[in-house]
Amino acid sequence: DAGVTQSPTHLIKTRGQQVTLRCSPISGHKSVSWYQQVLGQGPQFIFQYYEKEERGRGNFPDRFSARQFPNYSSELNVNALLLGDSALYLCASRFGVAVHTEAFFGQGTRLTVV
Amino acid sequence: AQKVTQAQTEISVVEKEDVTLDCVYETRDTTYYLFWYKQPPSGELVFLIRRNSFDEQNEISGRYSWNFQKSTSSFNFTITASQVVDSAVYFCALSEAPNTGNQFYFGTGTSLTVIP
Repeated sequence: DAGVTQSPTHLIKTRGQQVTLRCSPISGHKSVSWYQQVLGQGPQFIFQYYEKEERGRGNFPDRFSARQFPNYSSELNVNALLLGDSALYLCASRFGVAVHTEAFFGQGTRLTVV
Repeated sequence: AQKVTQAQTEISVVEKEDVTLDCVYETRDTTYYLFWYKQPPSGELVFLIRRNSFDEQNEISGRYSWNFQKSTSSFNFTITASQVVDSAVYFCALSEAPNTGNQFYFGTGTSLTVIP
């Protein structure tokens, strides 16, 4: 079975541009979360979606938005890119929203803003 | 305030040595879960172990073991007889029950290098 897949794997954008990152969860998983991992730090929570509804949002500006599709895949959008948005963006797939369920992560999208 | 603290930034051990990674957490909830994840250079976070707040029994799973102590809010992780393939960044994470979004709170990670 396929794990969590993210695309693209690497991306270079210019300040002020917009970017869309994509994630396909594990088959049967209905929850998708997005995390930002700046170099040398732990992942920081951005969003969680479950059954196409936003269930949680981290402390990120409104330039960050996301959505989940009927097939449970998800997109993360970032507008007006800043140099500080350069990071590894990780998608996490979970079967449900119960607190004990482990998350399965994709390999991430490495975003570089120049 | 940092909910999960991993004081060890980098650790180097010689192959076959045992190594313990420290994790201290902070929560006011009575129901919570603690996790350890491994992040190899490829970037993917790999689930290792999980423990709930009601079970302080320490266990061993293969070369991995963990020591959960609520009295000191610590959840330490030990690798026995380390191997070169264990070289990675290890993250401790906390998930709280009444949690909007069921987010994980990650520590800053401990980079482990196992020297052959």
